[in-house]
This record gives sequence, C-alpha cells and structure tokens, in this order.
Amino acid sequence: QVQLVESGGGVVQPGGSPRLACAVSGFTLTFYGMHWVRQAPGKGLEWVAFVRSDGNTKYYADSVKGRFTISKDNPKNTLFLQMNSLRVEDTAVYFCVKDRDYGNFEYWGQGTLVTVSS
Amino acid sequence: EIVLTQSPATLSLSPGERATLSCRASQSVGNSLAWYQQKSGQPPRLLISEASTRATGIPARFSGSGSGTDFTLTISSLEPEDVAVYYCQHRVTWPPWTFGQGTKVEIK
Repeated sequence: QVQLVESGGGVVQPGGSPRLACAVSGFTLTFYGMHWVRQAPGKGLEWVAFVRSDGNTKYYADSVKGRFTISKDNPKNTLFLQMNSLRVEDTAVYFCVKDRDYGNFEYWGQGTLVTVSS
Repeated sequence: EIVLTQSPATLSLSPGERATLSCRASQSVGNSLAWYQQKSGQPPRLLISEASTRATGIPARFSGSGSGTDFTLTISSLEPEDVAVYYCQHRVTWPPWTFGQGTKVEIK
C-alpha cells in the first residue's frame, strides 16, 4: 500500500536551513507529481510546493518562493524540501502529499513538525 | 488566486443527524473541487474529488454536490467517528492550490 514517511523536522533558529525528506513506498515516484503542504499550529492547510513527475517543473507558494526548493530523487523514491532563511511564521507541520490529476491530494504522510524559534 | 469560503465554522449535531457543509469559491472552479477530512492529530484524508466522486474506501454516507462556485458536502447520518475538520480545495488556475478555512464538525 502507499506510504509516505517524512523526516527532518525539529527546532530550528530563524535563518536556519533544514532539509525535509519524504520516503515513499507502494508507488514509483518517477511517474507522479508530489506536493508539500503545511499546517501551522491550530490553523488550516497551506499548499507550499509542487514538483511534476518529470522532476524539472516546479511551483511554489509566494510565501516561500526564493527560500524553499522542492526536489525528488526518483531512484531512491524520496522527495525533499530544502528550506532556507527560515522565519518564525514558517513554523508548521509539513506534509508530503502524492498528487493525482494536478491537484487532488491523494495520499498524505503523517507530517513532520518544524519549529522556528530562537 | 481563488478564495474558498466555508460555512459554518462549526457544526454541532447529534448522532444520526444530517450534516451539510458549504464551500463557496470566489470564481468558478467547474467541478474541480475536493473535500478532505482531518481528524485530531492525523493528516487530512481525501474524501471527495471532482465535486462528487468518493475516494476509495469512503463510506456512502459522505456525498458531494455542486458546480461552479457553490459546493456542498453532506454526511447523511452522522457517526461519532465523523468528528473532524473538513476542508474544501480547488485545482483550477494553479498555482496556487488553495483550501477553505475548514468546518469543524462536533457531536452534541
């Protein structure tokens, strides 16, 4: 069955640069687009980034554009989110999500919490 | 950017009652709207795509309807395990993909 397992969260200082990873199984990353979606504590859902199946076409929310980079390692079936210049307002649970049909968020990981605090 | 507005913010009903959740889009999204259920401490789960198509394994008491700018998620007979926050989300004119602010469903 489809599984997505995020890692890499923790407490980071403002300006920090953690990298999140999402190990997927039950499907081949080569053939699917993938998203990162985040949820600040007690708040709603915010789409962050998307990478198409080809791995070359990428889209970002305005709130993270220029600071975050999404990528995927198809042979390792792993999705990444490189986060730079972190701000307090980036504090959230980050979910890795398998895409279907360019915008149906079909399967979600359990999420990894990133806390930006000094 | 398309804004999705959900109502009510909170819905408090007794088991067995019908729950009706609304999602209104700031411009037409055709039928490209999905609904998600998020239980406390869990990730969201896809319930409905294309406005009315239930995802695999979703009970028949969940149904979606609407097109254009007005959509409804109906739970025909509320079960205790349906306590959750429900979000709508569109997939037209992306990016960005946006979500509504959520409707919290409680049991009286």
